[in-house]
Amino acid sequence: DIQMTQSPSSLSASVGDRVSITCRASQGIGNDLGWYQQKPGKAPKRLIYAASGLQSGVPSRFSGSGSGTEFTLTISSLEPEDFATYYCLHHNSYPYSFGQGTKLEIK
Amino acid sequence: EEQLLESGGGLAQPGGSLRLSCAASGFTFLSYGMSWVRQGPGKGLEWVAHIIGSGSHAYYADSVKGRFTISRDNSRNTLYLQMNDLRAEDTAIYFCGHVPIPGWSIPTIDVWGQGTRVTVSS
Repeated sequence: DIQMTQSPSSLSASVGDRVSITCRASQGIGNDLGWYQQKPGKAPKRLIYAASGLQSGVPSRFSGSGSGTEFTLTISSLEPEDFATYYCLHHNSYPYSFGQGTKLEIK
Repeated sequence: EEQLLESGGGLAQPGGSLRLSCAASGFTFLSYGMSWVRQGPGKGLEWVAHIIGSGSHAYYADSVKGRFTISRDNSRNTLYLQMNDLRAEDTAIYFCGHVPIPGWSIPTIDVWGQGTRVTVSS
């Protein structure tokens, strides 16, 4: 089974900051990775598909990069509504798995 | 507008059963693989199961294999999760949603239900 290791587990930042979150896969997964945002009590929302594709309707300050085993989600300039928890999810082979999550908090 | 609406959550005793449903509307349901994911109290997201569009193949997390069964009725645009032999650690909010199949690299819809709460306790 493929394990996803996400870092950091938490991150404190200010509006306007640039932040990055990393996921590492225990083996190569090509670009079969999505990034999701979740707010308390809500369903996850996909931000990035196929490692670097911007999901329709998602602001362009979100971007994804990487392939194989290392992936990065970058938010170029934080907005107040971006403070949430972020997860990566691989869909390369079954069973799928999420990273542990990164809680992005306001400094 | 694409929508998913879950139902069927509630309180179950350890060893008991529940069946979750997820009704789809606004998109061609049979064209999309669907997953159940869950979130225990204070925990992260956990992928539970996936079924491809035709319903012919289903896949499970090790934590639920042999106890949970994912299925779909494309004539009713509905996804199901039959949960048997429930344990305290199955307590969670369960979400249904579209997750791409392996190798899918083109744009796809992002649709998730609002979640249904399952509590396993005596």
